[in-house]
Amino acid sequence: DSGVTQTPKHLITATGQRVTLRCSPRSGDLSVYWYQQSLDQGLQFLIQYYNGEERAKGNILERFSAQQFPDLHSELNLSSLELGDSALYFCASSPDTGANVLTFGAGSRLTVL
Amino acid sequence: GQQLNQSPQSMFIQEGEDVSMNCTSSSIFNTWLWYKQDPGEGPVLLIALYKAGELTSNGRLTAQFGITRKDSFLNISASIPSDVGIYFCAGQRLTIQGAQKLVFGQGTRLTINP
Repeated sequence: DSGVTQTPKHLITATGQRVTLRCSPRSGDLSVYWYQQSLDQGLQFLIQYYNGEERAKGNILERFSAQQFPDLHSELNLSSLELGDSALYFCASSPDTGANVLTFGAGSRLTVL
Repeated sequence: GQQLNQSPQSMFIQEGEDVSMNCTSSSIFNTWLWYKQDPGEGPVLLIALYKAGELTSNGRLTAQFGITRKDSFLNISASIPSDVGIYFCAGQRLTIQGAQKLVFGQGTRLTINP
């Protein structure tokens, strides 16, 4: 157990729908990062939050949004889902904004049918 | 965006063989990290390198931070079945805006024949 908790582990939904993925960072970590991993692909950085504020943005679609709450957990919202959004979505956390040593969760596997 | 070229993309080896993989970039990084991802799991940190030329070992794993700061390699000696998985390199650098940015390679998928 890495200490980073992601729910749900698996999610199957239809095109056009909206889903929310949840992440609780490791105790004491203030930064949360979201990554997307499509089949047989590398990790694509989506967005980073630090202590409730957005710190860095990667290749995140406008249909996607995220936030970090006062208790430091984060949610990634995916809307108007398309088939190509099917992927593993990973949350990672680190103690600060340095994006140095990230601790990853086990991921949420999203399947869009 | 910034790219890390990780090679090879996949490896098929016999148990007991040594493994070598590397990452290169056209940009300089101030930290190199190596992660391993088991099937159905998130990546787990194997080795972190913070200084150009640094050579670090973790059991059967050895990694080096290239002297030019643009590359890194990971070696696995005497491979065993549990080494199977996807290995990712990641480089960290400071952006113009002053933020730390972590970039991942595309991964090396390791398969071991018993």
